[in-house]
Amino acid sequence: QITLKESGPTLVKPTQTLTLTCTFSGFSLSTSGVGVGWIRQPPGKALEWLALIYWDDDKRYSPSLKSRLTITKDTSKNQVVLTMTNMDPVDTATYYCAHRRGRPNSFDYWGQGTLVTVSS
Amino acid sequence: EIVLTQSPGTLSLSPGERATLSCRASQSVSSSYLAWYQQKPGQAPRLLIYGASSRATGIPDRFSGSGSGTDFTLTISRLEPEDFAVYYCQQYGSSPPETFGQGTKVEIK
Repeated sequence: QITLKESGPTLVKPTQTLTLTCTFSGFSLSTSGVGVGWIRQPPGKALEWLALIYWDDDKRYSPSLKSRLTITKDTSKNQVVLTMTNMDPVDTATYYCAHRRGRPNSFDYWGQGTLVTVSS
Repeated sequence: EIVLTQSPGTLSLSPGERATLSCRASQSVSSSYLAWYQQKPGQAPRLLIYGASSRATGIPDRFSGSGSGTDFTLTISRLEPEDFAVYYCQQYGSSPPETFGQGTKVEIK
């Protein structure tokens, strides 16, 4: 059974760096074809794709946010970490991590999401 | 970047009716790498359709996807009470970035 869970701060101040961790079970990020992505959703708005990492350390970033994002994996801990620098109130959103099998492919399993509020 | 435009923004229907949701891409989606997700309030999105027309595991056959190139459709043949939700399309053939549509809300009439 595949599960994913996001963790991190619920409140960050403007200009701070956000670090989110996706802890998963039921699969390994060392298995060929597997990837984990991050997607966010501002309150009442649509989904926005942020970043993705594959088993072979192939990393993809949203061009509009690339300068602010870093995605890494720790295969031994079954974790994927997303950092976003220079946070702004417009970055307030629910952040999801999600699993995929195959490149490219849809996201077949999602975490429950974590709401991050950016405010002073 | 491929922009996905979903229509209508809101669909007001009664249980038992047929729902037809549209997703139009600003350029051709390669190899029909198009997915549909359902999202209910307070929940994460749920994969319904991938590859434009393949149902994900456990998805009822009243959900079907079709289309290719720039025009895609999600059809719900007979709406059940649990189908009232927001639906998003996503293209994952052109990355980065993969992109989502703005969503279609299916509400009870």
